[in-house]
Amino acid sequence: EIVMTQSPATLSVSPGERATLSCRASQSVSSNLAWYQQKPGQAPRLLIYGASTRATGIPARFSGSGSGTEFTLTISSLQSEDFAVYYCQQYNNWQGTFGQGTKVEIK
Amino acid sequence: QVQLVQSGAEVKKPGASVKVSCKASGYTFTGYYMHWVRQAPGQGLEWMGWINPNSGGTNYAQKFQGRVTMTRDTSISTAYMELSRLRSDDTAVYYCARDADNTMIVVVNWFDPWGQGTLVTVSS
Repeated sequence: EIVMTQSPATLSVSPGERATLSCRASQSVSSNLAWYQQKPGQAPRLLIYGASTRATGIPARFSGSGSGTEFTLTISSLQSEDFAVYYCQQYNNWQGTFGQGTKVEIK
Repeated sequence: QVQLVQSGAEVKKPGASVKVSCKASGYTFTGYYMHWVRQAPGQGLEWMGWINPNSGGTNYAQKFQGRVTMTRDTSISTAYMELSRLRSDDTAVYYCARDADNTMIVVVNWFDPWGQGTLVTVSS
């Protein structure tokens, strides 16, 4: 089983600042990685797939990068609606394992 | 628009079974794999498995094999997830989520959209 590890667990950021979230895979997943945003009481929302392609309707301040085992989600200038939990998910094999999440909170 | 609507919250006793439904609309139900993901209170997301709504074929995460059964009814565009021999640590929100690929060549891709979630509480 591919294990996904996200860091940090919690990220404290001021509105308008840049946030950088990391996701590491225990073995290469090529570019088969997605990012989701989840707000309290809501289902996850797809942000990024293919490691770097924004989903429909996702603002340009969200960007993804990386391949193999190291991935990054960057939010260039945090807006109030961006404070949430973010999950990475690999889909390189026949299972879709998730990281444990990074909570982005207001500093 | 593409939408997945799940059944309502359930309360079950340990040892019982629960069956959650997920009704799809706005697309060809048999054209996309459907996945099930759960989230325990305050915890992360855990992939449980998938069903091919066209063939009925399934694949379950090893953790759930023997306890989970995923089925579908194509006549009403609905997928089901049944979990048996419930324990207290099965208390979670259960989500259905549509796979992204309409060619159904690659079995697991990213998931979009998701259902609204169904809270299953296991308590004596």
